[in-house]
Amino acid sequence: GAVVSQHPSWVICKSGTSVKIECRSLDFQATTMFWYRQFPKQSLMLMATSNEGSKATYEQGVEKDKFLINHASLTLSTLTVTSAHPEDSSFYICSAPPLSSYNEQFFGPGTRLTVL
Amino acid sequence: AQSVTQLGSHVSVSEGALVLLRCNYSSSVPPYLFWYVQYPNQGLQLLLKYTSAATLVKGINGFEAEFKKSETSFHLTKPSAHMSDAAEYFCAVTPNTGFQKLVFGTGTRLLVSP
Repeated sequence: GAVVSQHPSWVICKSGTSVKIECRSLDFQATTMFWYRQFPKQSLMLMATSNEGSKATYEQGVEKDKFLINHASLTLSTLTVTSAHPEDSSFYICSAPPLSSYNEQFFGPGTRLTVL
Repeated sequence: AQSVTQLGSHVSVSEGALVLLRCNYSSSVPPYLFWYVQYPNQGLQLLLKYTSAATLVKGINGFEAEFKKSETSFHLTKPSAHMSDAAEYFCAVTPNTGFQKLVFGTGTRLLVSP
């Protein structure tokens, strides 16, 4: 099956620093990738849709300048949490639908971010 | 607009017992429906999906779900629970009018006791 990887799997950073999370589709191409945020014992909340070669589309209430998304190629999207604060601590998960299959998404293993 | 309701944040069963996780959806257009499983500190794994073909869908690990339009339901079942089934389960919906973002339910934690 299709594989999506995320790097790093976990990261601890100091408040005020920036953290970059990578999402890669390893064996398929994706013009669109999705970034979700999951708080403990809660569901996934879509943050933004990453579009290859164009600007990301953010969900209502998500700060564009805080959560920078870049989709530079058909296999890589990055999420940068800028000036991180403790309330940004969460589990971040990306997903991607293959170009060949519009009715399914493949999820990455997630990145646990802890901001001290 | 689409939405999903999962009844019961926690479901407890004994090993070998029937598993039933409930999912009701709301959709203004015919939906695609999905069940995902999440183990601690991991991403989501697709269990099964309904994409307007057969209403009874069989998935991995012995799970299946039945799409019932009249009841707007897509409940997940497994005849006999195994300890390894303990995890968080999410139902999700997306409209079938071309690819759009998934909308997830709040999740149901399945607990399996020996």
